[in-house]
Amino acid sequence: DAGITQSPRHKVTETGTPVTLRCHQTENHRYMYWYRQDPGHGLRLIHYSYGVKDTDKGEVSDGYSVSRSKTEDFLLTLESATSSQTSVYFCAISPGDATVFFGPGTRLTVL
Amino acid sequence: SQQGEEDPQALSIQEGENATMNCSYKTSINNLQWYRQNSGRGLVHLILIRSNEREKHSGRLRVTLDTSKKSSSLLITASRAADTASYFCATRDNYGQNFVFGPGTRLSVLP
Repeated sequence: DAGITQSPRHKVTETGTPVTLRCHQTENHRYMYWYRQDPGHGLRLIHYSYGVKDTDKGEVSDGYSVSRSKTEDFLLTLESATSSQTSVYFCAISPGDATVFFGPGTRLTVL
Repeated sequence: SQQGEEDPQALSIQEGENATMNCSYKTSINNLQWYRQNSGRGLVHLILIRSNEREKHSGRLRVTLDTSKKSSSLLITASRAADTASYFCATRDNYGQNFVFGPGTRLSVLP
């Protein structure tokens, strides 16, 4: 989990509430990613960032927004959480070559 | 749609046996990577093979790549109980910086 932290690590929330997950890196890597992992689906890309204030949508971006105001922080927001967003969320970083490094994950439960 | 698809979905072997997992992908790639995920943890990079390579070794790991068949295999020799984990292949998508993962192979090594 070199240089990547995610917070919180676990969260239980109710349907309709906003939720923000934070990814913090100390590697100064340009690229940051948010994935969700669900049984039978592997990891699916939600959003990614290729620089400060530069973000784009991934495969499953509906219901999620992101922000990156600093190189080291990439925030994932669920504006109004739904039960279908119960998942494990992983942040990942990459310097732009073929390597990508993952954070420890955040387990989110939406009741 | 997923770029990489692992096969089999689950594999159970005895300690000391070899384990082989396969990955198929759909489009042209620059490289392919294999990752391991222990239960409840983030993904850890194992090995990368470039499109101009056919085989690569790292310790007890052997990866092959057949670009004509758009497939790769990961062989773990002399397996140990500690190899019990899920294994994912990943490719970079055609737009450059996104890493696309398959659903993974769940390997159980029985003592």
